[in-house]
Amino acid sequence: DQQVKQNSPSLSVQEGRISILNCDYTNSMFDYFLWYKKYPAEGPTFLISISSIKDKNEDGRFTVFLNKSAKHLSLHIVPSQPGDSAVYFCAASGKSGGGADGLTFGKGTHLIIQP
Amino acid sequence: DTAVSQTPKYLVTQMGNDKSIKCEQNLGHDTMYWYKQDSKKFLKIMFSYNNKELIINETVPNRFSPKSPDKAHLNLHINSLELGDSAVYFCASSQLAGVVNIQYFGAGTRLSVL
Repeated sequence: DQQVKQNSPSLSVQEGRISILNCDYTNSMFDYFLWYKKYPAEGPTFLISISSIKDKNEDGRFTVFLNKSAKHLSLHIVPSQPGDSAVYFCAASGKSGGGADGLTFGKGTHLIIQP
Repeated sequence: DTAVSQTPKYLVTQMGNDKSIKCEQNLGHDTMYWYKQDSKKFLKIMFSYNNKELIINETVPNRFSPKSPDKAHLNLHINSLELGDSAVYFCASSQLAGVVNIQYFGAGTRLSVL
């Protein structure tokens, strides 16, 4: 049972344009959502997070939007750069601190930035 | 200096063998985790350890046993390896004092069981 879904296995975007990666979830108990970026042969690295009580969080070129009623979040990268080419994982956490929850991950979207 | 390091990076072994994967973190975090990424690319939590105490054990076969000699280390022992154990195993750590549980990952250990 996939509680976090990333329905696009891959996405190709031209350099300088906006990249939009989508994520859907089914468990309304999730209270934090995180995006991770992964290069081949490396571990996932944390990018940005958002609390379930917020609808937007911005950090430089990265913005995450959360639509709680639709159980949908998206990661916007603008402008897209060649170094952004990687696999992006959406993840969810069930508790806000105090509990050593494992993160629930989506399957990932492979973002390819075309020069 | 690598924050979360795992050894070995690659492990090729025969079915039925026993093997260990080591993990160390130098971030001063109080919680460590093991994840498995299978052939379908899903990253799934296996265990977490907080102050030497097992917190989660997600329906993992008891052939898998985490061992934490101290809070900077969480090793994974696997007995009687099976073909289906072939996967990439990631170690991670986090500090639960924060509001959001940001986990920091090692580079992974690719295990191939022949």
